[in-house]
Amino acid sequence: QVQLVQSGAEVRKPGSSVRVSCTASGDSFNNYAVSWVRQAPGQGLEWVGDFIPIFGKANSAQKFQGRVTITVDKTSTTAYMEMSGLRSDDTAVYYCARGKGYSGYEPFDYWSQGILVTVSS
Amino acid sequence: DIQLTQSPSFLSASVGDRVTITCRASQGINIYLAWYQHSPGKAPKLLMFGASILQSGVPSRFSGSGSGTEFTLTISNLQPEDFATYYCQQLNSYPLTFGGGTKVEIK
Repeated sequence: QVQLVQSGAEVRKPGSSVRVSCTASGDSFNNYAVSWVRQAPGQGLEWVGDFIPIFGKANSAQKFQGRVTITVDKTSTTAYMEMSGLRSDDTAVYYCARGKGYSGYEPFDYWSQGILVTVSS
Repeated sequence: DIQLTQSPSFLSASVGDRVTITCRASQGINIYLAWYQHSPGKAPKLLMFGASILQSGVPSRFSGSGSGTEFTLTISNLQPEDFATYYCQQLNSYPLTFGGGTKVEIK
């Protein structure tokens, strides 16, 4: 059974950066796309971006381009999302999710538990 | 970007009811649509993909239909564990986008 386990909750000041991790147990990300999705308080789900290991390529929503870096380590078991220039409206629960296949056009069948990133002065 | 509009955004129903949620895309997305169930404090759960394909382990009271720009998720015989928020997601093109969600509450 695949499980995606994230690092713990984070608190950051505006303008700073945060890196969150997502480790797969029971399988790897080697043949699967991994996405990051967030949910701000009282809001819906928002796709942040993804990494396609088989192509070594990352994609992100335009609003995050230049601020978000998504990578997967060489063992393909841990994915990272780093966000810079944090603002208060980046406060959200961040999830990682694995696609059913290697392309970025697959639905997300495994999700992490989500971690809260709080941006506050 | 492809916008997904869900309706209603909120619905109140009773155990045993049949409910239908609609998701409209701002442009055609063939059948590249998925549905998720999200309960507070839990990870979202994939229910349906390819518009009408039931994810393994999901009860058959969930069904999906549609193609192009209009899609529906139907839950027949609503159960207590079905009270949650439901999201559609398009997987036709980047950026991948979600609908605004439909919260299903107990009447």
